[in-house]
Amino acid sequence: DVKVTQSSRYLVKRTGEKVFLECVQDMDHENMFWYRQDPGLGLRLIYFSYDVKMKEKGDIPEGYSVSREKKERFSLILESASTNQTSMYLCASSFRPQGSPLHFGNGTRLTVT
Amino acid sequence: AQKVTQAQTEISVVEKEDVTLDCVYETRDTTYYLFWYKQPPSGELVFLIRRNSFDEQNEISGRYSWNFQKSTSSFNFTITASQVVDSAVYFCALRAILSNTGKLIFGQGTTLQVKP
Repeated sequence: DVKVTQSSRYLVKRTGEKVFLECVQDMDHENMFWYRQDPGLGLRLIYFSYDVKMKEKGDIPEGYSVSREKKERFSLILESASTNQTSMYLCASSFRPQGSPLHFGNGTRLTVT
Repeated sequence: AQKVTQAQTEISVVEKEDVTLDCVYETRDTTYYLFWYKQPPSGELVFLIRRNSFDEQNEISGRYSWNFQKSTSSFNFTITASQVVDSAVYFCALRAILSNTGKLIFGQGTTLQVKP
């Protein structure tokens, strides 16, 4: 079974802090993704990566950056957390072929106070 | 533009009822994939099914069935004899190959509540 592991289930941070969300997958997937999920807005893509050290902006990249130094790990960075970044963050991975389904982690619920 | 619409925000049924979740999509691409995911209260999205644009065959898997109709740009999901464990948020998603860099576009989700 594919395993996508997000380091924290719940996280509380203060405004202005630098926040790291970590994601690890164990299936040698080329692609990795970060989404945020908000009520009424569904899932929105923040960033994705199709290879080590490669990254592409999604639909809402502002205020975020990412890092992919190793194939299995994809980190989402909030440079200076703000209250409007309070959300559920979901990491996913997939094989490169476009028809490959995404496999998701359990999510990290981030609260910025 | 790519878009997925799940017009039903919430559905509530009683156990053993059949229920259909609607999904309508928009894309100009001729090659694309459609997906359904389930998100139970635990939070993890679980992949249920994938369909490519060249395969309009309906599919049945146990109590689940999917009806893909290109003529109406719909990919509806039916649960037969619903159970309490089916309670979850269900997402329909589209991945168009040529445009939009192949990103997966999600609908807003339908919350299904199955009451005992």
